[in-house]
Amino acid sequence: AQSVTQLDSQVPVFEEAPVELRCNYSSSVPPYLFWYVQNPNQGLQLLLKYTTGATLVKGINGFEAEFNKSQTSFHLRKPSVHISDTAEYFCAVGNNFNKFYFGSGTKLNVKP
Amino acid sequence: ETGVTQTPRHLVMGMTNKKSLKCEQHLGHNAMYWYKQSAKKPLELMFVYNFKEQTENNSVPSRFSPECPNSSHLFLHLHTLQPEDSALYLCASSQWRASGNEQFFGPGTRLTVL
Repeated sequence: AQSVTQLDSQVPVFEEAPVELRCNYSSSVPPYLFWYVQNPNQGLQLLLKYTTGATLVKGINGFEAEFNKSQTSFHLRKPSVHISDTAEYFCAVGNNFNKFYFGSGTKLNVKP
Repeated sequence: ETGVTQTPRHLVMGMTNKKSLKCEQHLGHNAMYWYKQSAKKPLELMFVYNFKEQTENNSVPSRFSPECPNSSHLFLHLHTLQPEDSALYLCASSQWRASGNEQFFGPGTRLTVL
């Protein structure tokens, strides 16, 4: 069975500060891990993904995430956020059967 | 058109109406999905289609009826819905069984049931 936990439902942060959005997963097989971003009344856009290889994955808009097998985590980070990063972020775990399990989302609120 | 498109973007319907949501993908994928996104709940997978064949129905009520005439088009037919069915309905597509391939999402249809 697979599942995803996003511990923080909301994360407020000031502009230009660093941010980390937490994601923990449960998977009985090697996981494929994804981070998506959603703006209001829009679909989900892929930020980055981990399949195999290097555990530090870089994505679009300056975001990166690190796969940590021992801690079953895939936290998303950005060293300096912008107002335009305000959105909801979803972590997901996928399997070989194309089934995705999404977390409940984290709303990032970047303040000026 | 590029990516995944959905129409209409907004829909208001009464409980006795019949309506349909349309999804089209221009990515050459062979798998398509319907998700329901309600406030304060994780995305709920509703249906999965692989090469036009339904491979998953996640215990969705029969008032939701999917149709996949080809690998590029996906419909969700709605009838006698309930107010609790109000949500954002998202369509997605991907390559089937391509390990690690992401799903590409459309912009969604915001459905309000009165």
